[in-house]
Amino acid sequence: AAGVIQSPRHLIKEKRETATLKCYPIPRHDTVYWYQQGPGQDPQFLISFYEKMQSDKGSIPDRFSAQQFSDYHSELNMSSLELGDSALYFCASSLGDDEQFFGPGTRLTVL
Amino acid sequence: SQQGEEDPQALSIQEGENATMNCSYKTSINNLQWYRQNSGRGLVHLILIRSNEREKHSGRLRVTLDTSKKSSSLLITASRAADTASYFCATVPPNFGNEKLTFGTGTRLTIIP
Repeated sequence: AAGVIQSPRHLIKEKRETATLKCYPIPRHDTVYWYQQGPGQDPQFLISFYEKMQSDKGSIPDRFSAQQFSDYHSELNMSSLELGDSALYFCASSLGDDEQFFGPGTRLTVL
Repeated sequence: SQQGEEDPQALSIQEGENATMNCSYKTSINNLQWYRQNSGRGLVHLILIRSNEREKHSGRLRVTLDTSKKSSSLLITASRAADTASYFCATVPPNFGNEKLTFGTGTRLTIIP
């Protein structure tokens, strides 16, 4: 069965650079979530989209923005990167408020 | 915001033994879910227990929920080396569906062969 796809799987950036993370949800899933997991930390909810509209917002910095496109894939844009942004970024998708299925994550390292 | 706290933070046991991890949370819930995460990998949904349920089984997993104590436990019986992972509980507040997950801090389980 198709799973959530995230790209890239690994990303290395310098401070103050910009990064774009992509998420491709499971087909027919209409809701996408983004989470950030710092080293040794629990996943923290960033933002979610339902039917291409932002549905909920968590602890997402103002330097980050996200959107969901007409094909339901989502992108997380991160600007003015800081060392503290180094983390695993997970995307999850669901059909409405059914169970969330998580992707493998993108490991972002900021040098 | 509501958050689960896992106990213990780290647990090491011999293969074949049972592993018990606990989760406590602060406010009312709609349901509580347990996830597994292998090192640096994605989260895998294990089991969901609703606020009106007290116990649930899935294979070698047994989850209990005590809403009066705001706590849940995950028992893995007959542990295997492949069970080595971090285990997180996540809660969903009342009147929300699974779109509003809040994760706890996790228990790092190591199974010693």
